[in-house]
Amino acid sequence: DGGITQSPKYLFRKEGQNVTLSCEQNLNHDAMYWYRQDPGQGLRLIYYSQIVNDFQKGDIAEGYSVSREKKESFPLTVTSAQKNPTAFYLCASTPGQAVFQPQHFGDGTRLSIL
Amino acid sequence: GDSVTQMEGPVTLSEEAFLTINCTYTATGYPSLFWYVQYPGEGLQLLLKATKADDKGSNKGFEATYRKETTSFHLEKGSVQVSDSAVYFCALSDLNNFNKFYFGSGTKLNVKP
Repeated sequence: DGGITQSPKYLFRKEGQNVTLSCEQNLNHDAMYWYRQDPGQGLRLIYYSQIVNDFQKGDIAEGYSVSREKKESFPLTVTSAQKNPTAFYLCASTPGQAVFQPQHFGDGTRLSIL
Repeated sequence: GDSVTQMEGPVTLSEEAFLTINCTYTATGYPSLFWYVQYPGEGLQLLLKATKADDKGSNKGFEATYRKETTSFHLEKGSVQVSDSAVYFCALSDLNNFNKFYFGSGTKLNVKP
């Protein structure tokens, strides 16, 4: 079955360390997204990509970076510049140019500070 | 800009009670509307959707009607079960800003036996 795979499920970061969260999809979707979810809160958009080799900042991009070298992969790096990285991170995708299609989500990665 | 507003939770109901979770939206264009459900420690799953005014989305006993005149998309279920306990998110995607989604803050539902 097609879907979105996020790994790892749990991740711990030390002070001053960069960490990378993986997101892979086999849905053949063009657009991919990263969201951050804090306890009891909604989703905030970090970055999104509508096509390979192109991506745009979302509402809270500072301290994060992404790449989109392959259609199926959209890794997120949480850099040391992100001072409060503890959160639940969700990756999502949609078919390209499909306005009426919903987003499909992975099961998330929970990032904590050691 | 586009936005979604949901009623704050938590909402606590007894099993077999009637559920309403309010959702209103602001959009500059012609949005599609969605309800998602999130169980603890998991991602969001699509519950239902509606793509134009007066459309009714339905799934697993849940329903929501796209009301353009009141800019609303309230989620309803006639008889909730303990297994419906989760967080529910209302969301929109806008024709004028496609491929970008806007989510409400989520409403936690607790159903007691």
